[in-house]
Amino acid sequence: DSGVTQTPKHLITATGQRVTLRCSPRSGDLSVYWYQQSLDQGLQFLIHYYNGEERAKGNILERFSAQQFPDLHSELNLSSLELGDSALYFCASSPRTRGNTEAFFGQGTRLTVV
Amino acid sequence: TQLLEQSPQFLSIQEGENLTVYCNSSSVFSSLQWYRQEPGEGPVLLVTVVTGGEVKKLKRLTFQFGDARKDSSLHITAAQTGDTGLYLCAGAYDYKLSFGAGTTVTVRA
Repeated sequence: DSGVTQTPKHLITATGQRVTLRCSPRSGDLSVYWYQQSLDQGLQFLIHYYNGEERAKGNILERFSAQQFPDLHSELNLSSLELGDSALYFCASSPRTRGNTEAFFGQGTRLTVV
Repeated sequence: TQLLEQSPQFLSIQEGENLTVYCNSSSVFSSLQWYRQEPGEGPVLLVTVVTGGEVKKLKRLTFQFGDARKDSSLHITAAQTGDTGLYLCAGAYDYKLSFGAGTTVTVRA
């Protein structure tokens, strides 16, 4: 158990809909990273928050957004969903924002868009 | 384009054999990590290497960081079926933690 909790574990929704994925980091970790993993794309970095502030953006679509709340949990919002958004979404937490950024991953949310 | 290039993409060996996985980049990293991921699960951190030329051993796994801190290798001695999985290297730069595409290792009984 990494100490990172993601909910829900599975999500099935229709195209055009909006969903929210939730991540609770390990106790004491200030950094949260979000990743998308599909079979043909590997683990793609989406966005990084540190202590409530956005630190870096990767290949995140404009239809996607995220935030980190004062209690350090984070949410990833996916809107106007398309079939191609079906993937595993992982969050990871780390005690640091740079340097030795060891990441601890949650179990992921499997999103299926139908 | 992946910042970190891993090779080979796939590796299938017999139990008891040795294997090496490589992770290369044109960028310099302050640290580099190796993770192992099983299907449907999140990646699990195996090791972090920080110093150029550093070698770390974790039972039958040996990790090496290149002198210039741009590349790394993972060597498994006497592989077991339990070593089967996706091995990923990761490096941090500009507040991004980026992963290589991974090497899928299959150890046959």
